[in-house]
Amino acid sequence: DAKTTQPNSMESNEEEPVHLPCNHSTISGTDYIHWYRQLPSQGPEYVIHGLTSNVNNRMASLAIAEDRKSSTLILHRATLRDAAVYYCILRDFMEYGNKLVFGAGTILRVKS
Amino acid sequence: DTAVSQTPKYLVTQMGNDKSIKCEQNLGHDTMYWYKQDSKKFLKIMFSYNNKELIINETVPNRFSPKSPDKAHLNLHINSLELGDSAVYFCASSQDRRGGQETQYFGPGTRLLVL
Repeated sequence: DAKTTQPNSMESNEEEPVHLPCNHSTISGTDYIHWYRQLPSQGPEYVIHGLTSNVNNRMASLAIAEDRKSSTLILHRATLRDAAVYYCILRDFMEYGNKLVFGAGTILRVKS
Repeated sequence: DTAVSQTPKYLVTQMGNDKSIKCEQNLGHDTMYWYKQDSKKFLKIMFSYNNKELIINETVPNRFSPKSPDKAHLNLHINSLELGDSAVYFCASSQDRRGGQETQYFGPGTRLLVL
């Protein structure tokens, strides 16, 4: 599985935007970039995914570099409820089995 | 309605016992998974079933045996529990078994403590 690198932790103020980076320099052409997050004492939840173009949904935006070797998850206005561990995961659409390979993720702390 | 549910939420037991964790999904998905999150918080896949067929078995001790009575259920039975089995176990489901765009939906977790 292609690897991703994320900062161990980040801090943000409430109501401000948060940019969570992810490096994936060995990404292959068949890898989608997925983001999941895990709120305290809960199971992981899907946030967003993309292949080449930037993506927006009600939770966040995903900005993908032109060479696809990095991406950034953008939370437009962080709330206390966004404090969680954020995981950047590559998913190969050719892969049989569909497992998620989680790294250490980024712990996001949101200050009020 | 809870999409992916697990029972029990907490499980405290003695070493050597046998226990089961149940998982049910009401999303109509074909594929279900078990993940383990250890004390260092790393999440790792254990098993995956597609239409009641085992498709992933990630070098888990054979004391762990998944059972899928139907597409909506994937239970995890653990024999001869050991201290190292203490962890949070998450069940998940997805529509299909391929990677790429597929989204997985996770249950709330079962916190297992082996004394």
